[in-house]
Amino acid sequence: QVQLVQSGAEVKKPGASVKVSCKASGYTFTSYGISWVRQAPGQGLEWMGWISAYNGNTNYAQKLQGRVTMTTDTSTSTAYMELRSLRSDDTAVYYCARDSSGWYIPDYWGQGTLVTVSS
Amino acid sequence: QSALTQPASVSGSPGQSITISCTGTSSDVGSYNLVSWYQQHPGKAPKLMIYEGSKRPSGVSNRFSGSKSGNTASLTISGLQAEDEADYYCCSYAGSSTDVVFGGGTKLTVL
Repeated sequence: QVQLVQSGAEVKKPGASVKVSCKASGYTFTSYGISWVRQAPGQGLEWMGWISAYNGNTNYAQKLQGRVTMTTDTSTSTAYMELRSLRSDDTAVYYCARDSSGWYIPDYWGQGTLVTVSS
Repeated sequence: QSALTQPASVSGSPGQSITISCTGTSSDVGSYNLVSWYQQHPGKAPKLMIYEGSKRPSGVSNRFSGSKSGNTASLTISGLQAEDEADYYCCSYAGSSTDVVFGGGTKLTVL
């Protein structure tokens, strides 16, 4: 079965960077894209961007351009999301999710990774 | 402020039907048949319930159905059960400049 397993919770200081991993199994990793979505405490879902696991092409949400980088390692079927210059309003649960639609729309989701930004 | 507008809350009794609306614009919901709906229980990851407007993934109960009219998509849950109590989010492709937008979420309470 399709599974996406993410790395553990992180606590970071303002201005630091965080890198979250997402290991996929149960399907051919390079046949699908991966979207990243975040959810601030008590808030709704926000799409952050997408990466093709086939060729590494990326598409980032405008508001995060310049601060986010998404990569993949096809040898380990793992996707990564790095967010830099962290601010307190980046505190959120970060999800990776497989895109089978070809239009960045998630189907299967990881369990989420809580990133807390606090001084 | 979310790009897609959903009611903050809806409620219904067991066995009843409820409908959650998701209103967008001609740039997102109205232009593409790419609306999906997600169910999220507290502390859990979202689960895909409807994709491409009205299609159900394997394993999702046929009590869940989706539709669209103009710029508004809808999720209908029939035969409400206690386990349906959760937050529901709609999502739509929005073209190459905005890509993907979500609704603000609707809390469903089963009375």
